[in-house]
Amino acid sequence: VLTQAPGTLSLSPGERATLSCRASQEINSNYLAWYQQKPGQAPRLLIYGASSRATGVPDRFSGSGSGKDFTLSISGLEPEDFAVYFCQQYGSSRFSFGPGTKVDIK
Amino acid sequence: QVQLVQSGTEVRKPGASVRLSCKASGYTFSGYFIHWVRQAPGQGLEWMGWINPNSGGTNFAPQFADRATISRDTSSSTGAMELTVFMYLRSLRLGDTAVYYCAREPLGILTPNLDYWGQGTLVTVSS
Repeated sequence: VLTQAPGTLSLSPGERATLSCRASQEINSNYLAWYQQKPGQAPRLLIYGASSRATGVPDRFSGSGSGKDFTLSISGLEPEDFAVYFCQQYGSSRFSFGPGTKVDIK
Repeated sequence: QVQLVQSGTEVRKPGASVRLSCKASGYTFSGYFIHWVRQAPGQGLEWMGWINPNSGGTNFAPQFADRATISRDTSSSTGAMELTVFMYLRSLRLGDTAVYYCAREPLGILTPNLDYWGQGTLVTVSS
């Protein structure tokens, strides 16, 4: 089971965002990904393998972590970064998602 | 370019069933699984299952194993290979109201992820 914190993060453009994803058991860091979802849109892959950026993802997005604790950081929020972010894990040939963190404008 | 194009909005009564489609194009089908993920209104993402288009093999989240079926159809009616994946969900309940997404997973890599997603299909279950 994945938990994400905080549920909502209220920040201003230009600020740094730090989003947490915690697993109930240790997971292989290769099996952790992050997605961004904007209202009315499908999710978009941001990070895979805990720290690798997907194609076209700006370098202000970075992922880190190992074991049970993983972090998505956004350095210098741009207006288009205000969205919901989900972490995802893989195990036993199945996927599961965290509940999400909403990053909104302060 | 990679595209996953899903079928349109569906409305069903409780107890009915629904079949959704996801037409893939722009990539080599054999290199990717197709997954289904749903999202209830205002809620998070719920993984449902996947299909291996090569073998037709499937895997489901336990809560969907007895109600969902995923299948695929490959054809070459236009001269080019075409892949359409179907997700069939029966015994619909009010709680099945959601947007259903298909997404592809690259195979043969050590970092499982869903790199392209369809636009989503809204299914409304209402009496």
